[in-house]
Amino acid sequence: DAGITQSPRHKVTETGTPVTLRCHQTENHRYMYWYRQDPGHGLRLIHYSYGVKDTDKGEVSDGYSVSRSKTEDFLLTLESATSSQTSVYFCAISGRTSGGGTDTQYFGPGTRLTVL
Amino acid sequence: QKEVEQNSGPLSVPEGAIASLNCTYSDRVSQSFFWYRQYSGKSPELIMSIYSNGDKEDGRFTAQLNKASQYVSLLIRDSQPSDSATYLCAVISGYGQNFVFGPGTRLSVLP
Repeated sequence: DAGITQSPRHKVTETGTPVTLRCHQTENHRYMYWYRQDPGHGLRLIHYSYGVKDTDKGEVSDGYSVSRSKTEDFLLTLESATSSQTSVYFCAISGRTSGGGTDTQYFGPGTRLTVL
Repeated sequence: QKEVEQNSGPLSVPEGAIASLNCTYSDRVSQSFFWYRQYSGKSPELIMSIYSNGDKEDGRFTAQLNKASQYVSLLIRDSQPSDSATYLCAVISGYGQNFVFGPGTRLSVLP
């Protein structure tokens, strides 16, 4: 998994509670991403980061916030979880290969979140 | 909205046959293209990347890119039951690092 871990791997929570998912990488990649994957929708980008403290919104950012205080960690927060946020969440990283090669995106193992 | 389209399938092929997976994209300035394989309940894993028009081969896999037609394909030769998975096409849209994924094509290789 290219040195990417996600925690927790599974979580069940109730509507209205805050939830934070963590992505940790040991690859020193510059870019980090959060996606959600739902049947019929494929992978949809929530937020991404292009450096420490540098983040931007993706396609489905409403209801989510992110933070990146260190190169290796990218946090996704659901401020007040809703049932529509039940999904599988994937973290991904990308960055320049040595020698200035092209970029490739690698995925973490995923977090399955259920909001009741 | 930059889009990547794939047939959702399922695409069924017999063992040993060639599986052909297709993908079209809308952003003409896209320069980087990727194929990922995703087994049920697992995360996507990279199969191949392609950046120039033409064919790129890696073992049983061949990626084909035609930028004029905005079309990228993946051929899997000598398909095996272990190739049964969902195949995701991804494109780096524009000049940044934003990956846009297609909805995936589910492939089933029948023994």
